[in-house]
Parts: sequence; structure tokens; C-alpha cells
Amino acid sequence: GESVGLHLPTLSVQEGDNSIINCAYSNSASDYFIWYKQESGKGPQFIIDIRSNMDKRQGQRVTVLLNKTVKHLSLQIAATQPGDSAVYFCAEKVPGGSYIPTFGRGTSLIVHP
Amino acid sequence: NAGVTQTPKFRVLKTGQSMTLLCAQDMNHEYMYWYRQDPGMGLRLIHYSVGEGTTAKGEVPDGYNVSRLKKQNFLLGLESAAPSQTSVYFCASSTRTGTYSNQPQHFGDGTRLSIL
Repeated sequence: GESVGLHLPTLSVQEGDNSIINCAYSNSASDYFIWYKQESGKGPQFIIDIRSNMDKRQGQRVTVLLNKTVKHLSLQIAATQPGDSAVYFCAEKVPGGSYIPTFGRGTSLIVHP
Repeated sequence: NAGVTQTPKFRVLKTGQSMTLLCAQDMNHEYMYWYRQDPGMGLRLIHYSVGEGTTAKGEVPDGYNVSRLKKQNFLLGLESAAPSQTSVYFCASSTRTGTYSNQPQHFGDGTRLSIL
């Protein structure tokens, strides 16, 4: 999984498997979390977000789970496809100030056909 | 629908040279950001702007300057390029955000900059 402060981890899965990418966020006051996908040579692309008053949010083939007790966020991708191969970043936002998100270092997902 | 456009896409500079990276967005967003991304690392905020004519420092502002003369444009300048500034630079924009207003950022595809 991913954690701010560690070098980029890699997750390898087979096509059709479910993938779980983890993120340990740093600030217990964070109230908004975002997952981004970054394909090679491209900028990050928004996938899904969740507010701190929720534990789970589902999108198309993706689910984000939030555990505030241990400051942990996960992104689940169902039936992973080769097109899901990318680096995935989580970002957190802390209330107050200019409310700028802080990004983790990313997890590289490799999907084998 | 262009979104966020960055120019140039690639550039090689010699140490000490200066240059300006241009970011343009067509979504009428108030907020714009400049990040750098280095291998094995996440995005680090250089400078950002909450509106036309305003800029603020991010996490790693040294060696960079920015200007936001028009709402749709955000320029990043390197005054005297150093090898440590070799990186991929990303621009992003978002609608106005507040404590309880959550909107994701829209990113450009980056400028790959090498300083020799």
C-alpha cells in the first residue's frame, strides 16, 4: 500500500482480480479525501472522493473505504482491467486556510493480462 | 473541451538559463496550482493562486516565481535554472474551495523539464 514518507510501492494483479490500494493519511483533522489515477505520460485524473462523515463510497467499479480511527483510506477496484494499470494517489484536505490538498506518494498498479 | 493545457510539453535548459511555463484553463476556475513531481514521489505544491492577481507559496517555492495576470492563465518562471529543478511540472485548476466545499482538481498533462 501507500503511505506518505515511503517510496513508491507496486501492486501486481491478474486481469479480472479485485485490487485494493491502501493509503495511510497523516492528519486526523482531514475532512475530505480524493483518489487520483495517473497514467504514464499524463496528468492525474480524478477517480472518486469521500468526505470524513462517510465510511464508504462507491463509483463505477471503484469503492473507497475510510477508517478514521486508524487514519486509513483504501481504493478497491473490481474486475481489474489492463487499462487500470497506472499510479494511484490519495490526497487529503485539512479544513481551514486555503484548503489545498496534500498528496501521498502513490502506488503503482500493474495489471497482467 | 481542452480543460487544462500546459506549454511546452518538453524542454531542455542549461544551468542558469531562465524560462516560463504556461498553464491555461478554459473552465473558469478560480484556483490554479503548480506542482512538481519527481521519481517515486507524489506531487509537491510550488505555488498556487486563489484568484486573478493573487499568488501564494506552497511547499517548495524556492527558485520559482508565478504570475496570474488573467484568470485563465497561470505562469511559472524559473529565474536561474538548476539541475535540482529537473522534474515534471503539473498545473491544475479547481473551482473555489472553502472549508465545506469539496471539488477535485483538474490537471494538465505536464511539462517535462531537464536542466543540464
